[in-house]
Formats: sequence, structure tokens, C-alpha cells
Amino acid sequence: GQSLEQPSEVTAVEGAIVQINCTYQTSGFYGLSWYQQHDGGAPTFLSYNALDGLEETGRFSSFLSRSDSYGYLLLQELQMKDSASYFCAVKNQGGKLIFGQGTELSVKP
Amino acid sequence: DADVTQTPRNRITKTGKRIMLECSQTKGHDRMYWYRQDPGLGLRLIYYSFDVKDINKGEISDGYSVSRQAQAKFSLSLESAIPNQTALYFCATSENRKGDTEAFFGQGTRLTVV
Repeated sequence: GQSLEQPSEVTAVEGAIVQINCTYQTSGFYGLSWYQQHDGGAPTFLSYNALDGLEETGRFSSFLSRSDSYGYLLLQELQMKDSASYFCAVKNQGGKLIFGQGTELSVKP
Repeated sequence: DADVTQTPRNRITKTGKRIMLECSQTKGHDRMYWYRQDPGLGLRLIYYSFDVKDINKGEISDGYSVSRQAQAKFSLSLESAIPNQTALYFCATSENRKGDTEAFFGQGTRLTVV
């Protein structure tokens, strides 16, 4: 079967750094991606890792370790507008895109 | 105009009624997906389609059916709606490429079954 695990909630203060972890089990693996969703709106794509290592896009970075079936999303210089739900997702060999349960990030002043 | 459009945006229906949720896209993508979102359960895959002649069940297909009328259109039907199908439904599209998993989502349909 396939499953992804991520923390349900994370709280941090403005200006801080926060890391959201994701572990996965899947039959075949093409890559790990991250999505952001504000208040029940459309999820939007943040990043994608197919190979081990760190990918940086502005204040956001994403890391993947294929041998550990683990990845994380790192958000730096947190802003209030970063308060949202963050989902990790895996694409398997069959092309299915499966999402984790989501992590609700609350950024406090 | 939105690249992925869902209609209706909100719907209240009665138990036992048949309802169809529609999704159309202008991105030219081959792959289309239907997801359901419930609080604390994330996005769960209902059905997906890789082209017009291809339909696949996802994690939670019971009680749902789909139709891929054209490359740009993918409809989700609830043949006989029940209250536990009350949820936020999202359609998504992606390109048929190995390395690119970016999916583009519609704005969602909030369905309430009473």
C-alpha cells in the first residue's frame, strides 16, 4: 500500500524557521512534492524532489532522502501569510499522485 | 480565466439524489484527477484518468463514478448521495511526464448532502 505521514500541526513565530517532515511508503517512487493550501482554497505547488538533496526556491527549501523514504519542507523567515496547510505528495510508478494528511502551520506574531 | 474550472462551486443536495460535479481545463494536460478533502484527512484520491480512454480507481472510489468526455473534461458523479459524502471536492490536472509532478487544482466544489 501507500501512505504518507506528516505532523498534523506546527506553530512558529514570525521570522523563525520551521521544518515540516514527511515519511512515505509507496510502490515505486518518482518523486516527492509539496503543496500549500490556504483556508480550503485550491492547493498550489511549491516544490518537487526526484533526487536526494536540497532544492531551494526563495524562502522555501525541500529535501529528499530516498534511502530513508523521508523528506522535509523548510520555511525560512516566516511571515504571517505562510499560515496555511502544507501537504507532501508522492507520485508512484503507476502515475498516481497521493497526498499526505497535511500539516497546519500557524505563524504567530 | 481559471485554467481548471469546477462547477458548481457549492451544492446542497438531498440523500439519495444523483449529482454530477464537472471539471474542465484549458491547460492541455492529459492527466486529470478527482480528490476529496475532509478535515484532518488530507486529499484522498477518488478516480484518475490519463487520457480519454483511461479511467482508474483511486483510494476511495466506492459510491462514485467518473466520465472523461474529452481531454479537457472530467466529471464526477454520485449516483445516490449519502451524508458522509459531504466534503470539499477538488479536480486536478497534470502533464504526462515522468519527472514533473506539478498538479494544478480547481477552486473546489463544496458539497453538502442532507
